Amino acid sequence: QVQLVQSGAEVKKPGSSVKVSCKSSGGTFSGYGINWVRQAPGQGPEWMGRIIPLFDILNYAQKFQDRVTITADESTNTAYMELRSLGSEDSAVYYCARDIKGGRYAGLAFWGQGTLVIVSS
Amino acid sequence: QSALTQPASVSGSPGQSITISCTGTSSDVGGYNYVSWYQQHPGKVPKLMIYDVTDRPSGVSSRFSGSKSGNTASLTISGLQAEDEAHYYCGSYINSNTWVFGGGTKVTVL
Repeated sequence: QVQLVQSGAEVKKPGSSVKVSCKSSGGTFSGYGINWVRQAPGQGPEWMGRIIPLFDILNYAQKFQDRVTITADESTNTAYMELRSLGSEDSAVYYCARDIKGGRYAGLAFWGQGTLVIVSS
Repeated sequence: QSALTQPASVSGSPGQSITISCTGTSSDVGGYNYVSWYQQHPGKVPKLMIYDVTDRPSGVSSRFSGSKSGNTASLTISGLQAEDEAHYYCGSYINSNTWVFGGGTKVTVL
């Protein structure tokens, strides 16, 4: 069974950056999309972007394109999401989630436990 | 990318069927068969209930079914149970190689 384990909670100052990791185990890593989704308190999920390492596919939501970077280390089956120029509106739980189908969009079947990011001065 | 449109709330009595709609455009819901649905209980991680419009992942109850007509996708829950009370979100591929979620629907079991 696929498991995604994320790094721990972070408290950041406005204007700084945060990097969240997501380690995959129990399944094939490179051929499936690892997506990053965030959810602010009381709000719905918001898709940020995804990476499919095997095909060198990298897609970002337009809203985050200028300040997010998603990478993957195939040697450790770990994906990373870095968000820069943080503001209070970026306070949210950040999830990584793996596609149910390899190589294409279908649905997000496996989710990490979430990483709480708090942006506060 | 605008979020897909869902009703804020839907309710039903135990044993009844309810349907949640998810309205988009020809650039997302209407243009591709890549609609998925997620169930989220308070404080929990979202759970995939339907993918590719109609398919259920292994382990998801057959009481959950998906469909699509034009630019609107739907999730139907049959034989409503108390444990079905949760938020439900739809998601769809967009023609810009990205993904968008709906605003969410709160399902209440009366």
